[in-house]
Amino acid sequence: KQEVTQIPAALSVPEGENLVLNCSFTDSAIYNLQWFRQDPGKGLTSLLLIQSSQREQTSGRLNASLDKSSGRSTLYIAASQPGDSATYLCAVNGRSGGYNKLIFGAGTRLAVHP
Amino acid sequence: EPEVTQTPSHQVTQMGQEVILRCVPISNHLYFYWYRQILGQKVEFLVSFYNNEISEKSEIFDDQFSVERPDGSNFTLKIRSTKLEDSAMYFCASSEALRPGSDYHSSYNEQFFGPGTRLTVL
Repeated sequence: KQEVTQIPAALSVPEGENLVLNCSFTDSAIYNLQWFRQDPGKGLTSLLLIQSSQREQTSGRLNASLDKSSGRSTLYIAASQPGDSATYLCAVNGRSGGYNKLIFGAGTRLAVHP
Repeated sequence: EPEVTQTPSHQVTQMGQEVILRCVPISNHLYFYWYRQILGQKVEFLVSFYNNEISEKSEIFDDQFSVERPDGSNFTLKIRSTKLEDSAMYFCASSEALRPGSDYHSSYNEQFFGPGTRLTVL
């Protein structure tokens, strides 16, 4: 059964720092991995999708990498800003979880202070 | 930019009552999903829907739950007799059809989520 773990659970940093958020999954037979942002009481905003054949994806200050064989993904946030404060969720879509459903981690709660 | 919309944003109901949560997926998308998030817990998959039928459902999605696409734009989740433990944020999501020239199954595509409906069962 696929399990997704995110470390750290919470992170508080000063503005301007470069950050790395970690996601690990137990079954490497995934089709894709998606990173989301969730603001308190709000919906999920898709940040990046990495297909299983890809190693990384970039969008602006965000870069996500995928190492399928080791069951890991990282989300790199460059030059963090207070507006980046949110919970970041990692979710995988894979064979052991069913091919058209996402299995989520618990998230990393990020606070960027000025 | 196209987005998934959901109504209502907040629904309060009495235990045992029926509720219908509504979603309008992105217009060219053909795969639809419902997820829920109990306060303080992970987002959990409930059901996926394609070609007017359920393609997959979780153990949470029991006989009290049903989904429907009543017309060309809406996608609904019905809970027949709500329980206290059904209180949660319910998210609708959709993903696009198979891209021309791609051999990826359309479920591999990016899922876009709505803002959610907060259901409170008293």
